[in-house]
Amino acid sequence: AQKVTQAQTEISVVEKEDVTLDCVYETRDTTYYLFWYKQPPSGELVFLIRRNSFDEQNEISGRYSWNFQKSTSSFNFTITASQVVDSAVYFCALTGRASKIIFGSGTRLSIRP
Amino acid sequence: GAGVSQSPSNKVTEKGKDVELRCDPISGHTALYWYRQRLGQGLEFLIYFQGNSAPDKSGLPSDRFSAERTGESVSTLTIQRTQQEDSAVYLCASRLTGTRQETQYFGPGTRLLVL
Repeated sequence: AQKVTQAQTEISVVEKEDVTLDCVYETRDTTYYLFWYKQPPSGELVFLIRRNSFDEQNEISGRYSWNFQKSTSSFNFTITASQVVDSAVYFCALTGRASKIIFGSGTRLSIRP
Repeated sequence: GAGVSQSPSNKVTEKGKDVELRCDPISGHTALYWYRQRLGQGLEFLIYFQGNSAPDKSGLPSDRFSAERTGESVSTLTIQRTQQEDSAVYLCASRLTGTRQETQYFGPGTRLLVL
């Protein structure tokens, strides 16, 4: 069975602090993809990143970075120097052979000015 | 079109009525998905289309829910005899297949409220 766990339900930090959102996954597929999506208050899901199971190289995009570790089945997301506009619900997700995406329950991130 | 579109954006209906929700995927995307998101919760998978066929309907919660897709394009999700528990945001996503693109791109959703 596939499962995605986001243990942090809500996080609140002050602007400019760094914050890491945790994601742990379970799958028996040898080939799979991991995703992060952002859902701002407007409700639309915004794709942030996709990683495949064969590529453990970490990625940085501006203030965002992702740490993929197969040994611990984790795909954590760090926002550096957070801004108020980063406030949103963030979902980690997994897809394998079955094609449908399995989403975590989401982490609500609030950035206080 | 530039992205996935859904209509209506909001729908209020009375318990027991039928509703139809529409999804227009990104042009050329052969895979289409429906998800449901209850208030404050994550996304639940409902159904997946590859072309016009649905190889995975495992997420449909009851026989009141059905979906179809025509012309490898537009999809309609129908909920019959709506119940208050059906109130949620219904999200559609599409994906380009036949390449290594596995990313699903989501529409803005239809917010359904059953009174």
